[in-house]
Amino acid sequence: DAKTTQPPSMDCAEGRAANLPCNHSTISGNEYVYWYRQIHSQGPQYIIHGLKNNETNEMASLIITEDRKSSTLILPHATLRDTAVYYCIVRAQAGTALIFGKGTTLSVSS
Amino acid sequence: NAGVTQTPKFRVLKTGQSMTLLCAQDMNHEYMYWYRQDPGMGLRLIHYSVGEGTTAKGEVPDGYNVSRLKKQNFLLGLESAAPSQTSVYFCASGFSGRADIQYFGAGTRLSVL
Repeated sequence: DAKTTQPPSMDCAEGRAANLPCNHSTISGNEYVYWYRQIHSQGPQYIIHGLKNNETNEMASLIITEDRKSSTLILPHATLRDTAVYYCIVRAQAGTALIFGKGTTLSVSS
Repeated sequence: NAGVTQTPKFRVLKTGQSMTLLCAQDMNHEYMYWYRQDPGMGLRLIHYSVGEGTTAKGEVPDGYNVSRLKKQNFLLGLESAAPSQTSVYFCASGFSGRADIQYFGAGTRLSVL
């Protein structure tokens, strides 16, 4: 599975959009991009995933560049409850471990 | 719909004691996983299962055993607990297929004294 690079921390004001970048320059054609988050003391939570096209669900939007070497997770209106560690994961094969790196710690403040 | 349920939520063991952690999912998922999370280490895979009656080793399997006798349950056993097994344990489950979304339980916090 391709390796990912994320900034260690980011800050965001409540109500503003949070844009979390992820670099995955070695991604292969059959690898998906997944985003999870982990709120303190809780289990990781799936947010969104994509292969080539941009995706949106009730939690967030995922923007993948045309060359697929990077992506951005967008939380359109961040709230205090979005404070968490966000993990960008790239993988191809189901039924194997998710490799959680250090992720980005997002701090949302009022 | 409960999702992934882990039992117990907390446990304190003495060195050498044994215990079993239970993971139950009601989503009819084929795949199930056990991870541990230690401070500064991220999540590491202990064992996983791609179907009823099958298990496989992950990154850190030593000192643990698992069983998947029923599709909905995945048990993690510690035969002789050691202080190094003090950790937070997470169970996850997911469907088979190319897009492997894993759903996690709330975790079991284990301390071995």
